[in-house]
Amino acid sequence: GESVGLHLPTLSVQEGDNSIINCAYSNSASDYFIWYKQESGKGPQFIIDIRSNMDKRQGQRVTVLLNKTVKHLSLQIAATQPGDSAVYFCAERASYAGGTSYGKLTFGQGTILTVHP
Amino acid sequence: DAGITQSPRHKVTETGTPVTLRCHQTENHRYMYWYRQDPGHGLRLIHYSYGVKDTDKGEVSDGYSVSRSKTEDFLLTLESATSSQTSVYFCAIRQESGNTIYFGEGSWLTVV
Repeated sequence: GESVGLHLPTLSVQEGDNSIINCAYSNSASDYFIWYKQESGKGPQFIIDIRSNMDKRQGQRVTVLLNKTVKHLSLQIAATQPGDSAVYFCAERASYAGGTSYGKLTFGQGTILTVHP
Repeated sequence: DAGITQSPRHKVTETGTPVTLRCHQTENHRYMYWYRQDPGHGLRLIHYSYGVKDTDKGEVSDGYSVSRSKTEDFLLTLESATSSQTSVYFCAIRQESGNTIYFGEGSWLTVV
């Protein structure tokens, strides 16, 4: 899950294991969610997204699950590899009735994933 | 890389000096954003633009201004830099027809 303060949640896994990274979002009016991966010294890289009218979406080796009842988002990475080691962020976009959010995202603080060979 | 170039990539400046960061994109995207990233706070929106000369404030806009005089460039200016503005700054873009926001590689700013 997301943390408050300076210390990010961490997840350590062995190469080949499946990883599950969790995120609790704050706004029940959010209509769109994204997962990003950020390697040290680089910008956030898009992984996968999901709209609020879906509860599951699959990509290559990744699956995002959305539970709107409890405002929870998870990212599952299959057969985790050392190259998956990074900080993972979830982000949400609020919908605005009668207007537009202009795509503005609100980010969680991230989870550090470490994959051991 | 979504065609985003940030400059400078690294800068050290003194308190009280003006600083301008540039975001340049080559794919004619309408929406552009400036975020800052700090330990304990994640990514926070500073300003955004929804077209040439159309800009608005984000959640942490105090001490920053922006300009967008042409589609490809979005400038972030710190009029008088303070130590609290030491951070990593990310520019981002979104296509008009899409939802996904893509980020640049970041500009590391240190105010001493």
